[in-house]
Amino acid sequence: AQSVTQLGSHVSVSEGALVLLRCNYSSSVPPYLFWYVQYPNQGLQLLLKYTSAATLVKGINGFEAEFKKSETSFHLTKPSAHMSDAAEYFCAVSSINDYKLSFGAGTTVTVRA
Amino acid sequence: KAGVTQTPRYLIKTRGQQVTLSCSPISGHRSVSWYQQTPGQGLQFLFEYFSETQRNKGNFPGRFSGRQFSNSRSEMNVSTLELGDSALYLCASSLDRANEQYFGPGTRLTVT
Repeated sequence: AQSVTQLGSHVSVSEGALVLLRCNYSSSVPPYLFWYVQYPNQGLQLLLKYTSAATLVKGINGFEAEFKKSETSFHLTKPSAHMSDAAEYFCAVSSINDYKLSFGAGTTVTVRA
Repeated sequence: KAGVTQTPRYLIKTRGQQVTLSCSPISGHRSVSWYQQTPGQGLQFLFEYFSETQRNKGNFPGRFSGRQFSNSRSEMNVSTLELGDSALYLCASSLDRANEQYFGPGTRLTVT
């Protein structure tokens, strides 16, 4: 079985400040890890993915995430927040044994002007 | 390339009725998965189809069913609707089973 825990259901940052969203995973086999973003009344948009290549993964809109096996973590960061980053963010895990995505509970990001 | 499309976008049904939701994957994608999103339970996997065969199923009652057609389009059906079935139903497609999934905008189902 595989699962994801997102620490913090709400994160508030000032415009221009660092965005850090935390994700820890559990998987008995090498995981595939993903971050998705959801804007109100929309579906999920893929930000980035880790599939056992480089441990530092760059995604769209200036986001990146680092896979740390020793810490079973896949935290998402963006150096400088923009008002358009206000949304809900989901970390998800799958594996070669189980292709379905198991999602975390989500983290809502608000950006203060 | 056009993204994943889902129809209808919004639906209101009464308890006891049944409903069919449709999903058209990205052109060339052969795997389609369905997820339910609710405020209380979050995002939960329903089922996955590949080559017209159900490959994986989540922990949902038999009232939830689906199918995939030869052109990879998929439908899901919920029979004997309950109030708790009110949710956003998301469809996702991927090139193959192991590739990343791309989501549609969802169908918002309200059961009254």
